[in-house]
Amino acid sequence: EPEVTQTPSHQVTQMGQEVILRCVPISNHLYFYWYRQILGQKVEFLVSFYNNEISEKSEIFDDQFSVERPDGSNFTLKIRSTKLEDSAMYFCASSGWRGPNEQYFGPGTRLTVT
Amino acid sequence: GESVGLHLPTLSVQEGDNSIINCAYSNSASDYFIWYKQESGKGPQFIIDIRSNMDKRQGQRVTVLLNKTVKHLSLQIAATQPGDSAVYFCAEMGYNNNDMRFGAGTRLTVKP
Repeated sequence: EPEVTQTPSHQVTQMGQEVILRCVPISNHLYFYWYRQILGQKVEFLVSFYNNEISEKSEIFDDQFSVERPDGSNFTLKIRSTKLEDSAMYFCASSGWRGPNEQYFGPGTRLTVT
Repeated sequence: GESVGLHLPTLSVQEGDNSIINCAYSNSASDYFIWYKQESGKGPQFIIDIRSNMDKRQGQRVTVLLNKTVKHLSLQIAATQPGDSAVYFCAEMGYNNNDMRFGAGTRLTVKP
């Protein structure tokens, strides 16, 4: 069964450094998303991406964040200058013909900012 | 502000019993309500969704009920199994947006 994959599984970075989190969505999906989950808290929407542009973004997704689909398979989240409070699990998701209400999540990347 | 939330943070049931997980929402403009399951160390897994023009939808061993009058959503799991142990999130989204908002989660523990 196709699945969303994410790399790396764990990323440790120093405050102020840039990080790029990578995702490979399910191949025939059209909608892509990033979420974050701070330890012990709920999953929070960051951004959705469709037709090579951002379709929705939350208040969390400020100028420090950006997303890109550099080729036909990868979907990336970049944090330009990481802060301690960016430490969280970051989940990528994708959805297909059933629409954005049925999203398939990857296993997540644990980002630790020190 | 408008939000999605859960009534009970934890639920413990005996294997074979039915489980009911509840969720309250306050955004009357939401069009889809979705249940996700999250096992430890994994990403959320889609279980079932329901559109706002329905009040009940059934899947395999799961049923979602929507009561728009009191803005309440529930997930019923029949014959709960140890593999059902996880955190369950309700989520909601509007018709014309891709902004899915999750609730806080309920941890379901199934005792053998």
